[in-house]
Amino acid sequence: GAVVSQHPSRVICKSGTSVKIECRSLDFQATTMFWYRQFPKQSLMLMATSNEGSKATYEQGVEKDKFLINHASLTLSTLTVTSAHPEDSSFYICSARSTGGVQFFGPGTRLTVL
Amino acid sequence: DQQVKQNSPSLSVQEGRISILNCDYTNSMFDYFLWYKKYPAEGPTFLISISSIKDKNEDGRFTVFLNKSAKHLSLHIVPSQPGDSAVYFCAARISNAGGTSYGKLTFGQGTILTVHP
Repeated sequence: GAVVSQHPSRVICKSGTSVKIECRSLDFQATTMFWYRQFPKQSLMLMATSNEGSKATYEQGVEKDKFLINHASLTLSTLTVTSAHPEDSSFYICSARSTGGVQFFGPGTRLTVL
Repeated sequence: DQQVKQNSPSLSVQEGRISILNCDYTNSMFDYFLWYKKYPAEGPTFLISISSIKDKNEDGRFTVFLNKSAKHLSLHIVPSQPGDSAVYFCAARISNAGGTSYGKLTFGQGTILTVHP
């Protein structure tokens, strides 16, 4: 299947700092990428849909000024958690949709905010 | 409102036997369904999908069945192997929802499959 990478795989930061997570589709072009968040023992929660060259669409309840998404190219989307706080600690997963319509997921990024 | 439901939080199966994972949905507009497998601290891995125009799709040990009238789909794994032990998520999508929510996946809560040697 198609490969989606995420970097970093885990990050620990101090409260109040900003953290950037990169998501790349390695062997296909993705006009649409998605960012999810997963809490322990819960399902994946869609945060936002990112379309290349346009503004991201955020799901209800997700603060767009806190979770900045940039989809600058067909293979790269970034999620920046601004002024992170301990409640932002979570497992963030990106996904890229192939032209065939299947979403492939990255390995996830574990964010811990102290 | 949970539009995609996996009512069994866990399933335990003996190696070599069949694993059947179930998923129900309420939105009749869903027309594309996917199964993902997920290990802890990793992203989901795509397994198999099915379009609503079909009632069965098979790929190796994995077969997905779709019953549109019952709004039910299932994933069969035969034979089950210890390496199949993971969390399995079903997901559904409306292919032509229009607007800014086009094609987003709605996930079930997941079922933890444990295959015993």
